[in-house]
Amino acid sequence: EVVMTQSPATLSVSPGQRATLSCRASQSVGTNLAWYQHKPGQAPRLLIYGAFTRAAGIPVRFSGGASGTEFTLTITRLDSEDFAVYFCQQYNDWPRTFGQGTNVEIK
Amino acid sequence: QVQLEESGPRLVKPSETLTLTCTVSGDSIHNSPFYWGWIRQSPGKGLEWLGSLFYSGTNYYNPSLRGRVSISADTVKNQFSLTLTSVTAADTAVYYCGRDGLKVVPLTQVDSWGQGVLVTVSS
Repeated sequence: EVVMTQSPATLSVSPGQRATLSCRASQSVGTNLAWYQHKPGQAPRLLIYGAFTRAAGIPVRFSGGASGTEFTLTITRLDSEDFAVYFCQQYNDWPRTFGQGTNVEIK
Repeated sequence: QVQLEESGPRLVKPSETLTLTCTVSGDSIHNSPFYWGWIRQSPGKGLEWLGSLFYSGTNYYNPSLRGRVSISADTVKNQFSLTLTSVTAADTAVYYCGRDGLKVVPLTQVDSWGQGVLVTVSS
C-alpha cells in the first residue's frame, strides 16, 4: 500500500503567520491527494482535493501544492480557528491511506 | 448539507463482534451516486480506511482486515453499518463514517465525515 509521510509532526506558528505542511507519498499518486482539518470532538473537514482544489466553503488562505510525490498545504495568515490537526490522504490506489497528521499549535 | 452520525456500543469484549451504525441525513443512500464508508483511528496511530459500500451492494474493503470487516446498508432507515468480527485490543479506536466515493469513480476523497465514536475492546 502507499505510505503517506507527513512532516513535521508538530508546527508551532503565531497567529497571522504562514504555515506550510508537507506530505510525501511512497510512490506516485498523481494529484489524487486530499487534505483534511480535524479539531478535537469534531468531524474532520475536507479542505483540499485533487492536490490543489479547495473544497466548497474553504477560505482562500488554504492552498495545496504538489511536486512529484511531495505535497504541501499552505495556510497564509493563520487565524485562531486554524489551530488543529491536518492530515493528508491519497486516493490513487486501494486501499486509501492517510498520513499521521501535523498538529498546528499556537506559538 | 449531508450529516453523518455514528452510533453503537462503546465497549466490546475480545473475540466478539463490533457493530456500528451510521445514520445519514441531508442525502439519501438509496439512488445516491456516492459510496459510504468507515475509517478508524487507533490511539496514537494514523487513520485507517476500513471499507466502503455502494447502496446496490458493491463493496471495497481494506485487505489488512483479512476478511473480518463487512459493511451493509438499510436504505429504508438511510443507515449503513460496520461489522468487525473477532475483535482484539488492537481494534480499540475512534470509528468514523463518511461519504467517500462515486459510483463512476469509487476511489475519491472523503467529502463528509461523522464526529466519530470511541470503541474500546476490553474484557
